[in-house]
Amino acid sequence: GENVEQHPSTLSVQEGDSAVIKCTYSDSASNYFPWYKQELGKRPQLIIDIRSNVGEKKDQRIAVTLNKTAKHFSLHITETQPEDSAVYFCAAEHSSASKIIFGSGTRLSIRP
Amino acid sequence: DVKVTQSSRYLVKRTGEKVFLECVQDMDHENMFWYRQDPGLGLRLIYFSYDVKMKEKGDIPEGYSVSREKKERFSLILESASTNQTSMYLCASSLVAEAFFGQGTRLTVV
Repeated sequence: GENVEQHPSTLSVQEGDSAVIKCTYSDSASNYFPWYKQELGKRPQLIIDIRSNVGEKKDQRIAVTLNKTAKHFSLHITETQPEDSAVYFCAAEHSSASKIIFGSGTRLSIRP
Repeated sequence: DVKVTQSSRYLVKRTGEKVFLECVQDMDHENMFWYRQDPGLGLRLIYFSYDVKMKEKGDIPEGYSVSREKKERFSLILESASTNQTSMYLCASSLVAEAFFGQGTRLTVV
């Protein structure tokens, strides 16, 4: 079945440095790739997404890249800040199947 | 503003009990999902529904069933609760792409 693998499971970076989280997906028909951020005790919320007809998308300090050939996509956070500490989930969705499969999550910690 | 509401924030049930987790969304979304969240395992899809009375198994449907009698409501049912079903349960809904999550129900089975 469809699968999304996410790495690393935990990531600790110095404040101000960059963080990169990587995901791979198995279903080549997936065409939508959102990223969710879950702060402690709160529900996951969408922070950025990318569709399969785009290779890269930026929104201030965060960016996503997509390599359809290799079936992997990545989240990049630059100039990290304490409020970036959270669990991040990647996901892949096949729009006609209406199914969203999540990665296992990455716990990002920002060291002051 | 999309609202997805789960009926309980915390639940404690006994082994063998039948448990109902309710989820309601107010944005007329076609798709609704139930996930469970466990440390180190992320969000795992239990069941999803793309229309009223339609349901599809996710990755871990064993021990669960669902009901979608009305578009706005998606119920998760544990027919006979077991201790390995102790977890955080998250409901979500979506129309086309972005999923909106409920606040979660932390279920403890004793």
